[in-house]
Amino acid sequence: GAVVSQHPSWVICKSGTSVKIECRSLDFQATTMFWYRQFPKQSLMLMATSNEGSKATYEQGVEKDKFLINHASLTLSTLTVTSAHPEDSSFYICSARSSGLRDTQYFGPGTRLTVL
Amino acid sequence: SQKIEQNSEALNIQEGKTATLTCNYTNYSPAYLQWYRQDPGRGPVFLLLIRENEKEKRKERLKVTFDTTLKQSLFHITASQPADSATYLCALPGNSGYALNFGKGTSLLVTP
Repeated sequence: GAVVSQHPSWVICKSGTSVKIECRSLDFQATTMFWYRQFPKQSLMLMATSNEGSKATYEQGVEKDKFLINHASLTLSTLTVTSAHPEDSSFYICSARSSGLRDTQYFGPGTRLTVL
Repeated sequence: SQKIEQNSEALNIQEGKTATLTCNYTNYSPAYLQWYRQDPGRGPVFLLLIRENEKEKRKERLKVTFDTTLKQSLFHITASQPADSATYLCALPGNSGYALNFGKGTSLLVTP
């Protein structure tokens, strides 16, 4: 099946610093990538949708200036958490969709962010 | 508002039995519904997709039903094994394109 990777798998940073998370589709071209956030014992919450070469669409309540998304190629999207604070500590998961995969999304393994 | 509800209580069953998980939704008219498996500290893994014109779908030991009148999907694992222990998520397409909205998931524990 289609494989999506994320890097890093976990990161610990100090409050006020910025963290970049990469999401790659390894064996297919992702026309659309999605970024989700999951707090403990909660459901995945969609943060934003990004299409290659265009600006990301953010869900209501998600600050676009804080969570910068770049989908520069058909296999790579990045999420940068700027000026991270402890409340940004969460599990960030990306998913990728290809027009050839017909409504199916493939998820990355997730990135655990801990902000001290 | 749109809601996806899954049993919040964990489901404990004995190995070999059939596990049945429920997903109910409101204020949706989904073209399809998906089930995912999520292990602790990992991203969701796609299991099955069932479309609105399909009542039932099977894949190996998995079976999904979709009742658009009741607004409910049932997810069955037959001949359950301890390796089936995980959280199972129900997902529906959201309003923004192909993005998914997820339920909170139901934790399944299969004991030997």
